[in-house]
Amino acid sequence: QKEVEQDPGPLSVPEGAIVSLNCTYSNSAFQYFMWYRQYSRKGPELLMYTYSSGNKEDGRFTAQVDKSSKYISLFIRDSQPSDSATYLCAMSAVAGGTSYGKLTFGQGTILTVHP
Amino acid sequence: DVKVTQSSRYLVKRTGEKVFLECVQDMDHENMFWYRQDPGLGLRLIYFSYDVKMKEKGDIPEGYSVSREKKERFSLILESASTNQTSMYLCASSFSGVGVGQYFGPGTRLTVT
Repeated sequence: QKEVEQDPGPLSVPEGAIVSLNCTYSNSAFQYFMWYRQYSRKGPELLMYTYSSGNKEDGRFTAQVDKSSKYISLFIRDSQPSDSATYLCAMSAVAGGTSYGKLTFGQGTILTVHP
Repeated sequence: DVKVTQSSRYLVKRTGEKVFLECVQDMDHENMFWYRQDPGLGLRLIYFSYDVKMKEKGDIPEGYSVSREKKERFSLILESASTNQTSMYLCASSFSGVGVGQYFGPGTRLTVT
């Protein structure tokens, strides 16, 4: 079983829809949770970053972490065609202070928002 | 803005050739990483470095080596390229410390024929 599972999709929604992207994980030591967005033929860019459980909002994007269920989500409100990309979740844990910033990634979900 | 640059966007090499992929970051980050990204397999860590001249194996180091002679530069070397190393290669960097995000370069699409 992979440490981080993410539904690869693809996910296709009409413009204006609310999008929900999700990841589950098995390592209870994960405390830092990130979402990356990757446009076609580009490198991933850090979209949002949360620590431990709770919500974080940034414009149309909301990240949720439920550590008790080992489940994280990214919600996109009023989705736009420019949101079409691959979204990757990523996580990290403290491991005796020697994690060196290593991240564990989900496989990525391909999202298409059509006009 | 953090900037991570990679030496080539597209590269075509022949089987058996030695291949160098270079990555440079301009934010004085301690950590640097090399990943490969393949459809259905996601991002897989090849090697990382947490300091100059220091390196650690990632999940799939076989067939690769790395070099970090200067803090801002991290090179990935394919000693003898093979067709199964055809992939997208991504470099990333981050500050030291726990739980910080990584910043990625644009990637190099390597094709080995």
